[in-house]
Amino acid sequence: KAGVTQTPRYLIKTRGQQVTLSCSPISGHRSVSWYQQTPGQGLQFLFEYFSETQRNKGNFPGRFSGRQFSNSRSEMNVSTLELGDSALYLCASTFQEIQETQYFGPGTRLLVL
Amino acid sequence: GDSVTQMEGPVTLSEEAFLTINCTYTATGYPSLFWYVQYPGEGLQLLLKATKADDKGSNKGFEATYRKETTSFHLEKGSVQVSDSAVYFCAQTNFNKFYFGSGTKLNVKP
Repeated sequence: KAGVTQTPRYLIKTRGQQVTLSCSPISGHRSVSWYQQTPGQGLQFLFEYFSETQRNKGNFPGRFSGRQFSNSRSEMNVSTLELGDSALYLCASTFQEIQETQYFGPGTRLLVL
Repeated sequence: GDSVTQMEGPVTLSEEAFLTINCTYTATGYPSLFWYVQYPGEGLQLLLKATKADDKGSNKGFEATYRKETTSFHLEKGSVQVSDSAVYFCAQTNFNKFYFGSGTKLNVKP
């Protein structure tokens, strides 16, 4: 079974731009969560989607948004990029509930200049 | 609020040394507890988990016991290898949210 895939793996943007990251969960998994990983703040939960609905949300500003499609693939979008948005963005999937074991993708490394 | 605290790194050990990485949690209710490992350039991988008090999770020689009385889930390994060098994250899940510790980098020298 293929693992969680994320595209692109690396991205360079400038301040003020917007960016869209993509995540394809393991086949059959319906829950997708997104995390931001930075050296200073560690791993922080952004949001979780299940059956095309946002089920849980972390404490991030409205510039961070996401969506999930009927095939469980998910995208997250960051608008009006700031330097502090530079991070590794990780996606994780579970079959149904976030309490289950999460399977992580390799991440998308975003650099904002 | 719910949180996870783990020991600061980096931890540097010689091969075959004993490893302990401390982890404590704060939670309402009864969380499930996890240890994840991240190798350079990769995402996180589940190392082990425990879902209720006194459960012991184990994998690849690593062990951790869910201690409700001390709200702890310390990671241990009797004899580390160079290949164990990575960042280790303690985590809990409670009420449909996941909380990670800040990560502990382990360096194992031959």
